[in-house]
Amino acid sequence: GENVEQHPSTLSVQEGDSAVIKCTYSDSASNYFPWYKQELGKGPQLIIDIRSNVGEKKDQRIAVTLNKTAKHFSLHITETQPEDSAVYFCAASTNSGYSTLTFGKGTMLLVSP
Amino acid sequence: EAQVTQNPRYLITVTGKKLTVTCSQNMNHEYMSWYRQDPGLGLRQIYYSMNVEVTDKGDVPEGYKVSRKEKRNFPLILESPSPNQTSLYFCASRGTGMGGEQYFGPGTRLTVT
Repeated sequence: GENVEQHPSTLSVQEGDSAVIKCTYSDSASNYFPWYKQELGKGPQLIIDIRSNVGEKKDQRIAVTLNKTAKHFSLHITETQPEDSAVYFCAASTNSGYSTLTFGKGTMLLVSP
Repeated sequence: EAQVTQNPRYLITVTGKKLTVTCSQNMNHEYMSWYRQDPGLGLRQIYYSMNVEVTDKGDVPEGYKVSRKEKRNFPLILESPSPNQTSLYFCASRGTGMGGEQYFGPGTRLTVT
């Protein structure tokens, strides 16, 4: 089955800095890679996703890159703000709503003012 | 508004006392699943269901049961809870379209004494 590794487990940055979280996956059949943000006391929420037919996707201060050859994908947050502080999860699956998402163990991001 | 609801949000119970956590979604999703979240272990899938009357084990199914009698509901049943089932539980549903965004409920904090 799929295995997703996520690093680092914790990340502390100063407000305004960039943050990068990296994930690797094992199953070459995976082609859908979402990122979730979990704020304290809430369920994870999808913030961005990427499919294997593109190498990069941006949404304002958030971007995700994908390297299918190396089987890794990354989340980039620029100009971080205190409200970006949360736990971030990466996940991988095939491009089907019937397949199980396999999650990384999460990264706790702390943005200090 | 698209949402996944869970009840109760918080539950304290004693060892051996049967309990049910309800989950409902209003998006007509076929795929639903249950996760538990524990510190350092990320999100681990307990059970999932691809449609009414179709359920299957995830990574950590021991001690849990589920049922899927209606498309919108997917209750999680603990027949004889034990302290090692103290955890934060999330229900999720996933669309079966291209990519299939997965939505999470707000979580149920369960404590078994």
